[in-house]
Amino acid sequence: GAVVSQHPSRVICKSGTSVKIECRSLDFQATTMFWYRQFPKQSLMLMATSNEGSKATYEQGVEKDKFLINHASLTLSTLTVTSAHPEDSSFYICSAQGGPVNEQFFGPGTRLTVL
Amino acid sequence: KQEVTQIPAALSVPEGENLVLNCSFTDSAIYNLQWFRQDPGKGLTSLLLIQSSQREQTSGRLNASLDKSSGRSTLYIAASQPGDSATYLCAVKTGANNLFFGTGTRLTVIP
Repeated sequence: GAVVSQHPSRVICKSGTSVKIECRSLDFQATTMFWYRQFPKQSLMLMATSNEGSKATYEQGVEKDKFLINHASLTLSTLTVTSAHPEDSSFYICSAQGGPVNEQFFGPGTRLTVL
Repeated sequence: KQEVTQIPAALSVPEGENLVLNCSFTDSAIYNLQWFRQDPGKGLTSLLLIQSSQREQTSGRLNASLDKSSGRSTLYIAASQPGDSATYLCAVKTGANNLFFGTGTRLTVIP
């Protein structure tokens, strides 16, 4: 299957700082990218959907000014957690959609810990 | 809103056994259904994708079925191995391009 990478895989930061997470589709062009967060022992919760060159669509309850999403190209999307707080600590997973059946391929995730 | 339920939440089986994981969804108007595997602290690995017009898909020891009218899917794992131990997630995609996930089944295969 197609490969999606995320960087970094793990980040620890102080409260109040901003953290940027990159998501890349390595061998295909992704028309749409998705960002999810996952709390321990829970399933994935969709945060936002983004299409290349347009503004992201955020799910209800997700603050767009706190979670900035940029989808600059068909192979790259970034999620910036601004002014991070301990409650933002979570596992963030991106997904890229593409191919003949519009399958979603998932990245390996980024573990964010805010001290 | 689409709701996806997976039963059981956890399952332990001895190595070599065949097993079935269940997934049900409330709205049958789906675009496709995917089964994923997630290892602890890792991302998702896609196992099988079934289009809404299909009844089943097979890959190696895995077979997934889809009964759209009843809102059910099953993932059959034959001759289970310890390496199959993971959380298995079912997800349905709607026409609005949203992927709704179940809460997963945590499988442990005992050597």
